[in-house]
Amino acid sequence: QKEVEQNSGPLSVPEGAIASLNCTYSDRGSQSFFWYRQYSGKSPELIMSIYSNGDKEDGRFTAQLNKASQYVSLLIRDSQPSDSATYLCAVNSYSGAGSYQLTFGKGTKLSVIP
Amino acid sequence: GAVVSQHPSRVICKSGTSVKIECRSLDFQATTMFWYRQFPKQSLMLMATSNEGSKATYEQGVEKDKFLINHASLTLSTLTVTSAHPEDSSFYICSARGSSGGLSPYEQYFGPGTRLTVT
Repeated sequence: QKEVEQNSGPLSVPEGAIASLNCTYSDRGSQSFFWYRQYSGKSPELIMSIYSNGDKEDGRFTAQLNKASQYVSLLIRDSQPSDSATYLCAVNSYSGAGSYQLTFGKGTKLSVIP
Repeated sequence: GAVVSQHPSRVICKSGTSVKIECRSLDFQATTMFWYRQFPKQSLMLMATSNEGSKATYEQGVEKDKFLINHASLTLSTLTVTSAHPEDSSFYICSARGSSGGLSPYEQYFGPGTRLTVT
């Protein structure tokens, strides 16, 4: 059973602080990792993808991947109230017959306090 | 790029009727499309995976005769909920994956979702 684990939160941070979201996964063969943001009542929106060990930065977001530890994280710098949402970690896993599908964590709810 | 649309955004239907939901990739060719369902305050649940021109692969526990999926072209997939019942009321979301237009073949892009209410 392929699993993706996240702390459900809620994670509360003050405006302007760094929010740190963590995720671990069980499938050692996974090669693609993603972070999605989901506002209440809306569908998920892809915000970061990472494929190699190390850091990947995009604006205020930094994704970090450590395949040896099976660990992915997302840092949000200068957090804004508009960042308040549920963040879903997703891992691409082989599902057989040449197909890949995403396994999602249950999400971490982030609240940025003004 | 990588825009996925869904129609309708909301639908209310009577118990026993069928509802069709369309999912379109607007600016890329979607080699694979996925259908998810999400109940309030719960995580996404994958229902089925479809590749253009072939039969959908359903996840365990999802009735393929109740949830009919047709991936007729590289830009369109449809989900038909047949003989809907109140317990089918949920948020249905499609996603698409493709490699045209410089997109990563590994990334999935979600449509805005369809909120189905069965009365």
